[in-house]
Amino acid sequence: AQTVTQSQPEMSVQEAETVTLSCTYDTSESDYYLFWYKQPPSRQMILVIRQEAYKQQNATENRFSVNFQKAAKSFSLKISDSQLGDAAMYFCACSDNNNDMRFGAGTRLTVKP
Amino acid sequence: EAQVTQNPRYLITVTGKKLTVTCSQNMNHEYMSWYRQDPGLGLRQIYYSMNVEVTDKGDVPEGYKVSRKEKRNFPLILESPSPNQTSLYFCASSLADTLPAFFGQGTRLTVV
Repeated sequence: AQTVTQSQPEMSVQEAETVTLSCTYDTSESDYYLFWYKQPPSRQMILVIRQEAYKQQNATENRFSVNFQKAAKSFSLKISDSQLGDAAMYFCACSDNNNDMRFGAGTRLTVKP
Repeated sequence: EAQVTQNPRYLITVTGKKLTVTCSQNMNHEYMSWYRQDPGLGLRQIYYSMNVEVTDKGDVPEGYKVSRKEKRNFPLILESPSPNQTSLYFCASSLADTLPAFFGQGTRLTVV
């Protein structure tokens, strides 16, 4: 089974600045998906962005982008032009072809006005 | 050991036969939720509960029911399962003001 590690329990960023959240993973599968989820105080799990491992191009969704380094098994999330509404817990996750999903412990992001 | 326990881990059933997937947590968490995971889509929230007797719909509630009669238990009920409900289901819990959420091991459901 895959493992996912988020080494930053907490991060903070100034509004309008850029922040990068780190994630490393380990899997024996050749085909897998990587995800970043946002969990705001409402506790809903919101999919922020996903990346197919076979795609070399980094996924981008508006202000959110990833730096996918397959050889290094790294999958960091960059948030540009941070907004107050970005404050939340962020989870990195890895899912293989067996749909066995593993989550990291999470990074709590604080956005300072 | 703090944990979220789902049962069963695997289930194959036929269309229309009512089933219940149980979820229990031993951490005295107020918040519990159910998710389904489908290939390439990640997690989608089905229902969540902020406390006993309080439940709300998530993103994909159709075809599911839940109940929260006790703080520790949050069963997911499929009254009339259909093949499009074949999926991997996760239950999760957390304290009202503390994260991260603790996830169960998952229940792989196949409806034929």
